[in-house]
Formats: sequence, structure tokens, C-alpha cells
Amino acid sequence: DTEVTQTPKHLVMGMTNKKSLKCEQHMGHRAMYWYKQKAKKPPELMFVYSYEKLSINESVPSRFSPECPNSSLLNLHLHALQPEDSALYLCASSQEPPLGYTQYFGPGTRLTVL
Amino acid sequence: KNQVEQSPQSLIILEGKNCTLQCNYTVSPFSNLRWYKQDTGRGPVSLTIMTFSENTKSNGRYTATLDADTKQSSLHITASQLSDSASYICVVSGDTDKLIFGTGTRLQVFP
Repeated sequence: DTEVTQTPKHLVMGMTNKKSLKCEQHMGHRAMYWYKQKAKKPPELMFVYSYEKLSINESVPSRFSPECPNSSLLNLHLHALQPEDSALYLCASSQEPPLGYTQYFGPGTRLTVL
Repeated sequence: KNQVEQSPQSLIILEGKNCTLQCNYTVSPFSNLRWYKQDTGRGPVSLTIMTFSENTKSNGRYTATLDADTKQSSLHITASQLSDSASYICVVSGDTDKLIFGTGTRLQVFP
């Protein structure tokens, strides 16, 4: 199984809602990532979890809250988002933190904030 | 400043033709360089990964080259197919856990 799965595929939410994005991999990878990608732009790194510990936080607003319940799962909790947060949110994993290891990306969650 | 620049920004070719995409980087120190293919609305898929000691790497009809001295890489696509229509992203890593993404080249293959 070389797949990274993400749910939901699409999400529409209001600015007062609380929602969560989920990511799962069963490749035994120990590093997992959240990226945000706006249209026609490259992905922007948000968070890196290495061995279930947050290792990189790219100064993302606190309305985004990551969680890594175990080595196979990664969540992104969303609260009080703004319309400019609408984007494709990508999860990725790699065997170890990325030096020399291929990152495998999930299909993404298309988020629309109204 | 660590940067990855790609050219051209967009490219249109006819099916069956070859094309070459360029990537220039200023990342230092350099660890490795990757090429990804990203279909619209999907996650990127890794094509190749090269360290500084590797000059070329192939993956089917995709061949990547790396010149660590001039800090340039290219991705050559042979005998293009309609399914090659996608964005191609060059990604460079240094000595940290961060990956530096290029802005991508949007390739469209027409029949």
C-alpha cells in the first residue's frame, strides 16, 4: 500500500464552523506533513510531524491546529477560518524527515470557506 | 535567499513531441532535487529524486538531469502523451526538513 488517503475530498464551511481534515497512511512512514496550495501556486508547507512530534510549524495562524494521534494518522483541525483560507490542503508522508526520502502526497481536500 | 525558479511558466506541445523543462536553484547547502508531476486538483506525484552526485535519472519517458556546479536541472519528456498534461514542480532540499518548491511549469499536450 503506497497510498496516502485524505478525507473529505471537498469541504465547504462557514467562518464560524469547526471542522477537521483527516490524513492516513499505512506505509510505516514516520514523517507526515500538511501543505496549503492556492490555485496556480506551489504547495506551501504548514506543519511537519516527525515521529509523532511537531517538528516544523511555519507560523501558521492558530485557527489551524494539527494533531498526530499516532504514526499513521494526521489531522488538521479548523476553527474560525477566513475566506482567504480557501485552498487545496495536501497531506504527505515520507519514510523519515525529507532528507533523501520521497514524499508521497495524498489527493488533497478542496476547502471552501464562505 | 533560497529560491527555485522554473521555466517556462507554461508550455503547449503536440502529442508525440518531446519537451524540456528547466529548473534553476540557489539553495545552499544542497541535499537533493526532486521533480513532481501534479494533475489539476490532485496531490503531486514524485517522478525522480537526485543527490548532488547524480547527473541523470530516468523514470520511463521522463529523464531528469542535474548540474550541481551550475545549480541547474532539466526534465525531458519523450514522445509526449495527452496524460502528460499537468504541472511539473521542481523541489530542492537543503540541510533541514524543509523542501523549497519551484513555481512549476504548466504543460498542455494537444492531440
